[in-house]
Amino acid sequence: EADIYQTPRYLVIGTGKKITLECSQTMGHDKMYWYQQDPGMELHLIHYSYGVNSTEKGDLSSESTVSRIRTEHFPLTLESARPSHTSQYLCASSDHTDNQPQHFGDGTRLSIL
Amino acid sequence: GEDVEQSLFLSVREGDSSVINCTYTDSSSTYLYWYKQEPGAGLQLLTYIFSNMDMKQDQRLTVLLNKKDKHLSLRIADTQTGDSAIYFCAERSGGGADGLTFGKGTHLIIQP
Repeated sequence: EADIYQTPRYLVIGTGKKITLECSQTMGHDKMYWYQQDPGMELHLIHYSYGVNSTEKGDLSSESTVSRIRTEHFPLTLESARPSHTSQYLCASSDHTDNQPQHFGDGTRLSIL
Repeated sequence: GEDVEQSLFLSVREGDSSVINCTYTDSSSTYLYWYKQEPGAGLQLLTYIFSNMDMKQDQRLTVLLNKKDKHLSLRIADTQTGDSAIYFCAERSGGGADGLTFGKGTHLIIQP
């Protein structure tokens, strides 16, 4: 069973606020990912990391930023939230070995008013 | 670019087999995955298949891969009400960003 945790599960907040979505995994995985999923739609990769101090942008452009100071922690930050940021954000991790499957957290459902 | 296509809905009767289909366009795909998403939850990995295989079976789940036609299917035998969810097909290509490319998901609806 994968051990990857996201907090908060749900967040409703006003425009202009700074938001940090937390993601932690206890499996010692080097690779971590953030996906964005709009209702009824597929997931799109917005950020990924190969390990500590590594961050890369994904296929879908996003105004969010990420950091990877510790192996187990991969937070996502929005400096000034807007209604267009309303979505579900899913974090995943995988082992460093090529093509190992990605294990997902339960997601954070974000609503910006 | 990469594209993964799935039917949006599939309705089956409880006890029947469900077959969820997926097509992809990236010929460099190395691994193909099936994930299950229940309401309000994240994605649960169901199974995956390497591109040099054509079939993989795991209990009630059978994955078939036709690499020539770039077609992947997931068969669920003896479908139960607990199988009701959205099923995502995803592919991992050989290069580029290290994430997965997902289809839009198939809503599996179970009729009593």
